[in-house]
Amino acid sequence: GDSVTQMEGPVTLSEEAFLTINCTYTATGYPSLFWYVQYPGEGLQLLLKATKADDKGSNKGFEATYRKETTSFHLEKGSVQVSDSAVYFCALSKYNQGGKLIFGQGTELSVKP
Amino acid sequence: ETGVTQSPTHLIKTRGQQVTLRCSSQSGHNTVSWYQQALGQGPQFIFQYYREEENGRGNFPPRFSGLQFPNYSSELNVNALELDDSALYLCASSWKGQDSDEQYFGPGTRLTVT
Repeated sequence: GDSVTQMEGPVTLSEEAFLTINCTYTATGYPSLFWYVQYPGEGLQLLLKATKADDKGSNKGFEATYRKETTSFHLEKGSVQVSDSAVYFCALSKYNQGGKLIFGQGTELSVKP
Repeated sequence: ETGVTQSPTHLIKTRGQQVTLRCSSQSGHNTVSWYQQALGQGPQFIFQYYREEENGRGNFPPRFSGLQFPNYSSELNVNALELDDSALYLCASSWKGQDSDEQYFGPGTRLTVT
């Protein structure tokens, strides 16, 4: 079945460091891909998305490119801040499956000053 | 525009009991999905409701059931609670008909089963 795999955390970085969180997926057809962020004690917030191959999603300095050839959607940010500390989830959905989101296990990011 | 709200925030139940969780969708949204997030895991899709009918279901037993009301709010009911049902339950709303599957999540209800 369809699935999403993320790099294991926690990831600990110093402020202004470069961030990469790896995400790969297994799916038939042409899924949409998402990154969600979960701050402590809160629900999930959509960070960015891409709906077709080679699309780049971006928001708040974060970017991810939909790579069909490598079935990947890695999250990157050039300079992280302490306020970026959160758990990041990669997810996919397929339009003909009623909007069902399939999530990876999440990657915790901790940014130190 | 109000976001997705859920109630209660926390609750504690005993094994074998029944529980009802509530969700109000974001203004203008007509579809509600429910997810279970165990500690340290990603959310797992339970089911989705559209036009007051179930519109897709994940790998959860029938003791997980739901309702959607004419105002698009929703309930998740779990019967015969088990210890493994302890989790954060997330509700998400969306507008069916858009090209994207963008869903907006509520803050969740933390259920503890003892």
